[in-house]
Amino acid sequence: AQRVTQPEKLLSVFKGAPVELKCNYSYSGSPELFWYVQYSRQRLQLLLRHISRESIKGFTADLNKGETSFHLKKPFAQEEDSAMYYCALSSGYALNFGKGTSLLVTP
Amino acid sequence: SQTIHQWPATLVQPVGSPLSLECTVEGTSNPNLYWYRQAAGRGLQLLFYSVGIGQISSEVPQNLSASRPQDRQFILSSKKLLLSDSGFYLCAWRAPTIPNEKLFFGSGTQLSVL
Repeated sequence: AQRVTQPEKLLSVFKGAPVELKCNYSYSGSPELFWYVQYSRQRLQLLLRHISRESIKGFTADLNKGETSFHLKKPFAQEEDSAMYYCALSSGYALNFGKGTSLLVTP
Repeated sequence: SQTIHQWPATLVQPVGSPLSLECTVEGTSNPNLYWYRQAAGRGLQLLFYSVGIGQISSEVPQNLSASRPQDRQFILSSKKLLLSDSGFYLCAWRAPTIPNEKLFFGSGTQLSVL
């Protein structure tokens, strides 16, 4: 069965510090993985997807099939990065999300 | 351009009352449609999805049901609400048949069952 695990409910870092939001998945096929973000009073929106191998707002995420992980990283956190982050796994038509990690970047 | 509308934004209902939440998408055809619930401590839980008119897949057994009477309309219903139905409900759409396509979310409905 497919499953997405985000072990941290809350992650608090200082501005300028590196940040890593963890995501592990369980899926028997070839996974399609995403990171979604929800800023305060805004809609949930796509941040990045593993297939694109892109960097968005300084964030990157590498798919590690050996460790079944798709951690989200940013070398220098900014206050505007404070938000709720969800890792998601696509299996056929459905997109299953983890429980989310609330990132708080303090000055 | 495509847009997704979801209403109402907030709803307070007594236990045992019926529920109807509506979601419509504009600017696209034959979208995949989804209902999610965001409950405290439980993240985003997929409730239903639909790949076409009249086609509904349920991800979790529950007190809720979904219907898709038209191509771009998705309705979440309940005959009798339970306290545990409280939560933030999100509708979303996705273009069909495109791998790795992203979801577009509505603004959500905050449902409080009292």
